[in-house]
Amino acid sequence: ETGVTQSPTHLIKTRGQQVTLRCSSQSGHNTVSWYQQALGQGPQFIFQYYREEENGRGNFPPRFSGLQFPNYSSELNVNALELDDSALYLCASRRTPGQGARGGNTIYFGEGSWLTVV
Amino acid sequence: GQNIDQPTEMTATEGAIVQINCTYQTSGFNGLFWYQQHAGEAPTFLSYNVLDGLEEKGRFSSFLSRSKGYSYLLLKELQMKDSASYLCAVRVFDRGSTLGRLYFGRGTQLTVWP
Repeated sequence: ETGVTQSPTHLIKTRGQQVTLRCSSQSGHNTVSWYQQALGQGPQFIFQYYREEENGRGNFPPRFSGLQFPNYSSELNVNALELDDSALYLCASRRTPGQGARGGNTIYFGEGSWLTVV
Repeated sequence: GQNIDQPTEMTATEGAIVQINCTYQTSGFNGLFWYQQHAGEAPTFLSYNVLDGLEEKGRFSSFLSRSKGYSYLLLKELQMKDSASYLCAVRVFDRGSTLGRLYFGRGTQLTVWP
């Protein structure tokens, strides 16, 4: 039990639609990262949020966007869905002592949201 | 760019020892993680190395050589439940992130036979 909850667990969308995936972290986990994991691949970093502001972004187009809220929840939004967006989307959270500090070695993953685009 | 390599598949028998290797070429290195991931589940944390040497935790050990860009995960007394994908991940501090990000390898699918 990691204390990180994601919803929905599975969903099917049509190409061109928009999707919102949600993540609820443990209290005090002020840093959240989102990853995309295609079948047979390792997770790929999408972006990271710290204290409700983006703190790093991977090689994903702008149609991937996110939000982090004061209650330690966050969202991943994907617009104009493409077939290649079909994947497992993972949320990972941790507690960071302070901005710029190199702590937070324990990173907790949620169970993920399986997205299928048809 | 960041490059992390690990074997795609490995097999072993119950009770045996298996070593899963990971090599990496990264800039801004700040630690290496190993995760276990069962099919359809989230990755779970196994180990973290930031200094050279061996970290032991029960049946699992992880080794790091920063000068060689090399790590391995050693699993002893294998059990059927150890059948899973093992992910090597490197944390780097690079442009745009003050907190670091994880770069994952593709994962090594380990199958343990009775």
